[in-house]
Amino acid sequence: DVKVTQSSRYLVKRTGEKVFLECVQDMDHENMFWYRQDPGLGLRLIYFSYDVKMKEKGDIPEGYSVSREKKERFSLILESASTNQTSMYLCASSLQGASSYNEQFFGPGTRLTVL
Amino acid sequence: SQQGEEDPQALSIQEGENATMNCSYKTSINNLQWYRQNSGRGLVHLILIRSNEREKHSGRLRVTLDTSKKSSSLLITASRAADTASYFCATASGTYKYIFGTGTRLKVLA
Repeated sequence: DVKVTQSSRYLVKRTGEKVFLECVQDMDHENMFWYRQDPGLGLRLIYFSYDVKMKEKGDIPEGYSVSREKKERFSLILESASTNQTSMYLCASSLQGASSYNEQFFGPGTRLTVL
Repeated sequence: SQQGEEDPQALSIQEGENATMNCSYKTSINNLQWYRQNSGRGLVHLILIRSNEREKHSGRLRVTLDTSKKSSSLLITASRAADTASYFCATASGTYKYIFGTGTRLKVLA
């Protein structure tokens, strides 16, 4: 059974803290993604990675960075958490494939609250 | 801005009825996908339709794609209470990237 796991389901942090969100997939997928989901705004892409140590900015990268040292792991980092980063964070992975547009497999999400 | 926009935003039906939700998008696409999200969980892939396809079936799901109108519809037949969820369309945009809509919240009443 294919799986994408995220390190925490719920997380509460203080403003200014450095926050790490971890995502691990066991499907040997090349592509990995971080989204945030907010009511009325749907899913917005923060960063994605198509290979180890490779990353591309998504639509809302400001205030975030990522790390992909191993193929199976993609980390999202909030350098200095702010209240407007309170959100649901979703990690996903997909095969690269010939078309590059394959289905994405999602983790269960991390609901982050920044106080 | 969101490329995929689902319509309606919310839908409430009785068990056994069919549910139809629509998705409109703005630019040309490689494929369009539909996902389901149960409350507070991750998304689950339902079906993918390529730009050269017009209709696709998977179990109780039927998806249509009209590239001339830049729209797609998802039909769930004989709905069940377990179909209660939010449904999102996602369009491929650029390399490796998808753009998700804001979703349709479906409630199936037993």
